[in-house]
Amino acid sequence: DTGVSQDPRHKITKRGQNVTFRCDPISEHNRLYWYRQTLGQGPEFLTYFQNEAQLEKSRLLSDRFSAERPKGSFSTLEIQRTEQGDSAMYLCASSPADSGANVLTFGAGSRLTVL
Amino acid sequence: AQSVTQPDIHITVSEGASLELRCNYSYGATPYLFWYVQSPGQGLQLLLKYFSGDTLVQGIKGFEAEFKRSQSSFNLRKPSVHWSDAAEYFCAVVDLYGGATNKLIFGTGTLLAVQP
Repeated sequence: DTGVSQDPRHKITKRGQNVTFRCDPISEHNRLYWYRQTLGQGPEFLTYFQNEAQLEKSRLLSDRFSAERPKGSFSTLEIQRTEQGDSAMYLCASSPADSGANVLTFGAGSRLTVL
Repeated sequence: AQSVTQPDIHITVSEGASLELRCNYSYGATPYLFWYVQSPGQGLQLLLKYFSGDTLVQGIKGFEAEFKRSQSSFNLRKPSVHWSDAAEYFCAVVDLYGGATNKLIFGTGTLLAVQP
């Protein structure tokens, strides 16, 4: 297993365009998280999946954001009508579901730049 | 709500010197605490974690951290810093008030620079 994979690593887009990021978690992990990290800040929680069910969404996740995990394996995060304020690193993490002491394994992130 | 505070935004140490990065948390019960490190343009790598038991925990790369309930602190230490330790360090706590999500709440990070 190669850990958590994210694609693409970098995306530059023009304001108003749609972008989609993909995350492949560690295969035996059924918990999956998306975080956003802006410059000089710590990661901020966006949304959480347990298997294919999206169980929590942050208020940071506006209507332009949608996340899916259709078969409980990989996940996608789509941003519609991108704005310059969406420029950030989008981090995916996964963990096994066996305890409250939640050890997250992070991917390398997808960096979005909106021009 | 739970929170994590890292008072130092930026720290510079000389190679070979000792290091202590501060972390304070806000949580009523025994927290689950973590330190992660992030190199430029990379994701986060787990250094160490505290769940219960011995309050001094050892991690990778020669790092250790001490949980002090009386001070609500979980400071990260290393006796001798190497140039490759230059990175950003994040303290985090599990949000045990958030139901089954158990998401991590992160501090704002401390950027470590190492002088030759």
